Amino acid sequence: DTAVSQTPKYLVTQMGNDKSIKCEQNLGHDTMYWYKQDSKKFLKIMFSYNNKELIINETVPNRFSPKSPDKAHLNLHINSLELGDSAVYFCASSQDNRIGGGYTFGSGTRLTVV
Amino acid sequence: RKEVEQDPGPFNVPEGATVAFNCTYSNSASQSFFWYRQDCRKEPKLLMSVYSSGNEDGRFTAQLNRASQYISLLIRDSKLSDSATYLCVVKRTGGFKTIFGAGTRLFVKA
Repeated sequence: DTAVSQTPKYLVTQMGNDKSIKCEQNLGHDTMYWYKQDSKKFLKIMFSYNNKELIINETVPNRFSPKSPDKAHLNLHINSLELGDSAVYFCASSQDNRIGGGYTFGSGTRLTVV
Repeated sequence: RKEVEQDPGPFNVPEGATVAFNCTYSNSASQSFFWYRQDCRKEPKLLMSVYSSGNEDGRFTAQLNRASQYISLLIRDSKLSDSATYLCVVKRTGGFKTIFGAGTRLFVKA
């Protein structure tokens, strides 16, 4: 029974297309995140939602739009995909972002833009 | 300067060796500290939290030095299965931001 599941696992698409990645967690956590890991393996926060409210919105092109229909789901929609968007996107959740505690990550979505 | 900096890798060690990683952080408002492990093409997984008094989990020992703003991870009796990238993670006080270090790659050889 996967704790944080994201789909799809792999996504290959052409430049200019629009795509979505979905994430769901069954841990009852309050906070969910999207991270991007590029080819240099550096993990960077993109967005965070706490109980459906956006609390972190890093400097990310506005082609990226997160949506949280409820606290168990956080989706990421990307418009007009560019070559530089190729990366692994990880969804994560934590119990309460204001208290020390670790994250549980999904298995990642490997996005390749051609 | 990056907010969280780790030892450059890779570390290549034989089985049974003891290896230590250091990590420094620049923001004194940092409150919570963790080590994560990431295997190749997998997601990061929490290895252990780091407490002020230092803590141990089997072969792994984590230390925190707030005065010098660094944390460390010691792995004793290395196993082949310890080969992975180890990520130092720092969370700021009262805020929502968690910063990941770039990771240190460890290879344990037979």
